[in-house]
Amino acid sequence: EVQLVESGGGLVQPGGSLRLSCAVSGFTFSDHYMDWVRQAPGKGLEWVGRSRNRANIYSTEYAASVRGRFTISRDDSTNSLYLHMDSLKTEDTAVYYCTRINMGAYCIDYWGQGTLVTVSS
Amino acid sequence: DIQMTQSPSSLSASVGDRVTITCRANQGIGNSLAWFQQKPGKGPKSLIYAASSLQGGVPSKFSGSGSGTDFTLTISNLQPEDFAIYYCQQYKSYPLTFGGGTKVEIK
Repeated sequence: EVQLVESGGGLVQPGGSLRLSCAVSGFTFSDHYMDWVRQAPGKGLEWVGRSRNRANIYSTEYAASVRGRFTISRDDSTNSLYLHMDSLKTEDTAVYYCTRINMGAYCIDYWGQGTLVTVSS
Repeated sequence: DIQMTQSPSSLSASVGDRVTITCRANQGIGNSLAWFQQKPGKGPKSLIYAASSLQGGVPSKFSGSGSGTDFTLTISNLQPEDFAIYYCQQYKSYPLTFGGGTKVEIK
């Protein structure tokens, strides 16, 4: 069974940093691209960024709203995906979801349960 | 960026009804379109990819169609568990973008 479990959310002050983790199981993590998606309270879904697999040199893509502030990394040895967030703004307050990419269609097929990040003074 | 527009933003329907949600892209995306369902307080669930292919385990009451710029999600025989918010997403080009969502409520 595919499982994606996010952790690391919490309250952080504007300008601060936070690192989210996503522990995965039930599939060969190293084969898959992975995305982060977020959802501000009461709002819709926003794509944050992508981590490609080892075969694609672990390259990344980011939304313009987070580029230069957020970094996606992964550790295939521990089946973990990370989202390091710097220079946090109040508008980064959201539930952050870890998602798996279907490597046939290159779209999301599984979602985690999400972790809440609140940026507030 | 490719803009995705869903309509309606909300709809009311009765158990047993058939409903259709529309998603429009402001430029052609081929069939690179996915649909997701989100229930209150839960993470989204993947329903459809490549515009019309069901994700594993998704019942056939859900169906998708379209290509290019216009897409639809149809839900047949609405049941209480289908009342949720539905989102489309294009994955043709970066940044990947979502529609604003359609809330399906009980009439």
